[in-house]
Amino acid sequence: KAGVTQTPRYLIKTRGQQVTLSCSPISGHRSVSWYQQTPGQGLQFLFEYFSETQRNKGNFPGRFSGRQFSNSRSEMNVSTLELGDSALYLCASSFTGTRLDETQYFGPGTRLLVL
Amino acid sequence: GESVGLHLPTLSVQEGDNSIINCAYSNSASDYFIWYKQESGKGPQFIIDIRSNMDKRQGQRVTVLLNKTVKHLSLQIAATQPGDSAVYFCAENNAGNMLTFGGGTRLMVKP
Repeated sequence: KAGVTQTPRYLIKTRGQQVTLSCSPISGHRSVSWYQQTPGQGLQFLFEYFSETQRNKGNFPGRFSGRQFSNSRSEMNVSTLELGDSALYLCASSFTGTRLDETQYFGPGTRLLVL
Repeated sequence: GESVGLHLPTLSVQEGDNSIINCAYSNSASDYFIWYKQESGKGPQFIIDIRSNMDKRQGQRVTVLLNKTVKHLSLQIAATQPGDSAVYFCAENNAGNMLTFGGGTRLMVKP
């Protein structure tokens, strides 16, 4: 079974631009979560989608948004990029996300550099 | 868990020795804890988990200990190997798939 895939793997943008990142979950997984990883703040939860609906949201500004498609693939978008948005963006998937002991599987991440 | 910021604490061990990685968590109501391993250029990989109604759980070469009194988790790796070199994170799952991660510890294994 293929793992979680994320595209692109690397991205360079300039301040003020917007970016869209894509995540394909493991086949059969319907819950997709997004995390931001930076040296300063560590790993922080962005949001979680299930059945095309945002179910949980972390403490990030409205410039960060996402969506999920009927095939469970998910995208996240960051508008009006700031230098501080440079980070590794990780996507994780699980079957339903309704059980605490349901393992989340992470993709390799998209490395975003904002200049 | 609390982020420890820019400088990850580092644990350096000799190959074959046992490693103990510690983590303090913040939410006394947390019910489920996970340890992840992250190698360079990869996403976090699940190692082992434990529920709050347990104080110890063993896997293959790994053991997780939970002390709810002091809100402390530890990960013990037996007979540490070079392939164990990575950053290790503890995480709490309190609701759905909203993981709260600790700051991480870098494990370096000397051959």
